Amino acid sequence: GQNIDQPTEMTATEGAIVQINCTYQTSGFNGLFWYQQHAGEAPTFLSYNVLDGLEEKGRFSSFLSRSKGYSYLLLKELQMKDSASYLCAVIHHAGNNRKLIWGLGTSLAVNP
Amino acid sequence: DSGVTQTPKHLITATGQRVTLRCSPRSGDLSVYWYQQSLDQGLQFLIQYYNGEERAKGNILERFSAQQFPDLHSELNLSSLELGDSALYFCASSVELAGTDTQYFGPGTRLTVL
Repeated sequence: GQNIDQPTEMTATEGAIVQINCTYQTSGFNGLFWYQQHAGEAPTFLSYNVLDGLEEKGRFSSFLSRSKGYSYLLLKELQMKDSASYLCAVIHHAGNNRKLIWGLGTSLAVNP
Repeated sequence: DSGVTQTPKHLITATGQRVTLRCSPRSGDLSVYWYQQSLDQGLQFLIQYYNGEERAKGNILERFSAQQFPDLHSELNLSSLELGDSALYFCASSVELAGTDTQYFGPGTRLTVL
C-alpha cells in the first residue's frame, strides 16, 4: 500500500531553523511535493523533488532520499508568518494511474 | 493568487439539501482536482478530471458527483447533505495529465451543513 508519515506538530522559535521530516512507502514513487497551508486557506506549492539531494529556494530547502523513502523540509530564519501546516505529498504511479498521496500535515508553531 | 477561482466562498445549508460548487482552473490547465478537508483532517482527494473526462476517483461518496465542461470549468455536486459533509472543499488545477505537474489550489469553498 501507500503511506506517508510526518510529525503532527512542531514548535520553533523565531529566527531559528526547523526541519520537518516525511517518510513514505509507495511502490511507484514518481516525485514528492511540499505545500504550505495556513489555517483556513488553500495549500500553496513550496517545492518538488524527484531526484536525490537538496533543492534550495531562499529560506526553504527540501531534501529527498529515494532509497530511504525520506524527505525533509528545512526552514531557516523562521518568521512568525511561517506558522502553518506543512504537507508532504508523494506521486504514486502505477500503469496509467497516477495519483498524489497526501500526508496529514505537520502543524508548525513559531514563537517569538 | 494561484489563478484558480472557486465560488461560492461560503455556503450554509441544511441537511438533506443539494449544493453545487464551482471551479475555474488556471488558464491553460487541463486537469481539475477536487478535495475535501474537514476540521483538523488531511486533504482527502475526491476526483480528477482531465480535458472533460473523469480521470481518477478517490474517496468520493455516491451522493457526490462532478463534471468538467468544454470550457474546462468544473462543478462538484453534493446531494442529500449530512452534518459530516461540513468541510472546506478545494479545487486544484494542473497543466498536464502525466509527468511532474504541480497542482495549484483555489481558495476553497467552506460548506456548513446545519
